[in-house]
Amino acid sequence: SQQGEEDPQALSIQEGENATMNCSYKTSINNLQWYRQNSGRGLVHLILIRSNEREKHSGRLRVTLDTSKKSSSLLITASRAADTASYFCATAGGGGSEKLVFGKGTKLTVNP
Amino acid sequence: DGGITQSPKYLFRKEGQNVTLSCEQNLNHDAMYWYRQDPGQGLRLIYYSQIVNDFQKGDIAEGYSVSREKKESFPLTVTSAQKNPTAFYLCASSRTPGHPYEQYFGPGTRLTVT
Repeated sequence: SQQGEEDPQALSIQEGENATMNCSYKTSINNLQWYRQNSGRGLVHLILIRSNEREKHSGRLRVTLDTSKKSSSLLITASRAADTASYFCATAGGGGSEKLVFGKGTKLTVNP
Repeated sequence: DGGITQSPKYLFRKEGQNVTLSCEQNLNHDAMYWYRQDPGQGLRLIYYSQIVNDFQKGDIAEGYSVSREKKESFPLTVTSAQKNPTAFYLCASSRTPGHPYEQYFGPGTRLTVT
């Protein structure tokens, strides 16, 4: 069962612009994670935000979490062509569950 | 150089044959996972293992089998009972089972069955 739902499914922007992707989920979570996947490759972990955190930064990445709305957003600032990839959110359930549930992803294209 | 390796990168098989996908990690992680990814889809969990000699079914375990005889290795067998085996298969690992830490992924194996 897939809990995270990313929005939009696809996003095309120009280099230098900001990219915002959203993720909504249905049940309570322990944490929410964002991953990146270049075409035909494995996933790379970007950032983890715990359920008691509201915002987290890592370089050009900014993640917010609103547990009341069961949603998260990933902002990539000053995007580069190398940011072109699919971005997935994954939720880790409460109760010590070690499993992650992935959404279907947002395909980001950054045009030079 | 720590990481997860999956081999081979591409695999072709005839329908009705079992095939085993390899996954090895040298990160000293306890937990390992197998996912399946279809075009335009997210990852779906096939099997996971928290400790040697123990594993649990994920959401789509039918037609697959695994073993965990060593901490470093978690091979996946796609059996002839799997109705739609053509897909991209990803292996991952994480530390400390029971805690939802980040997962580290291998490069994946693309399996094509004709």
